[in-house]
Amino acid sequence: EIVLTQSPGTLSLSPGERATLSCRASQSVSSSNLAWYQQKPGQAPRLLIFGASSRATGIPDRFSGSGSGSDFTLTISRLEPEDYAVYYCQQLGSSPNSFGQGTKVEIK
Amino acid sequence: EVQLVESGGGLVQPGGSLRLSCAASGFTFSSYWIHWVRQAPGKGLVWVSHINSDGSSTSYADSVKGRFTISRDNAKNTLYLQMSSVGAEDTAVYYCARGLSRWFGSLVGMDVWGQGTTVTVSS
Repeated sequence: EIVLTQSPGTLSLSPGERATLSCRASQSVSSSNLAWYQQKPGQAPRLLIFGASSRATGIPDRFSGSGSGSDFTLTISRLEPEDYAVYYCQQLGSSPNSFGQGTKVEIK
Repeated sequence: EVQLVESGGGLVQPGGSLRLSCAASGFTFSSYWIHWVRQAPGKGLVWVSHINSDGSSTSYADSVKGRFTISRDNAKNTLYLQMSSVGAEDTAVYYCARGLSRWFGSLVGMDVWGQGTTVTVSS
C-alpha cells in the first residue's frame, strides 16, 4: 500500500501570499495518477489537479501542481479568501487509491 | 446537470447491515468507474472501494474487505455499497465519486462527487 504524507499539517498565511503544499509518497507514483482536492467545511471535495499538473475544469490558474516520483507539490500563487480550506493529495495508480491526511490552509 | 446523489445512510447497530445507493444523472453512467470514499467526523478522506464501468472489476480498502460489497446497475444508473458487520469505525459520511480517466484509460482523479450520506454505527 502506498502511504501519502502531506506537509505541513496546517499552513497559516495571509490573503495574497503564496501557499506551497507538499505530498510525499512511500514509493514512486506515476505522475498521471496523482490528484489534488480542495474541501471546505460541510462540502464534498472538489478536484483541483489531476495528472500531477493538469488543472480540472473551472479551476483558476493560481492553482498549479508539480512533481514526479515520490514528491509532489500544490502551489497557490496568491491566496484568495475562498482558498482557505483543507487540501488532499491522492494516488490512483495502485489499490488502495490512498489519500494523504490533508493540509489545512488557514487565515493568518 | 451532471450529478451523483447518495442515499441509504442512517443509524445502524454494531454488527448490522446497511445498503447505500448512489444515483447518477446527466452523464453516461455505464462509461465510468465509480468510487466510494468516506470521511469520519473531523477526519480526513479515506478511499473505500471502486468498480469499473461494466462492474466486472472491483477493489476494496483492507479495512472493509470481506464486509463491504460494491456493485452497480447500469440500467438503473445506480451504484451500491452493501455494508455488513459494521462497527463504530465505519461511522462516517460516505461519498460516491466519478472516476476521471485520461491517457489510454488511466485513472487520474475523481471529478464529480455527491453530497454524501451519513452512516452512524451505534447501539
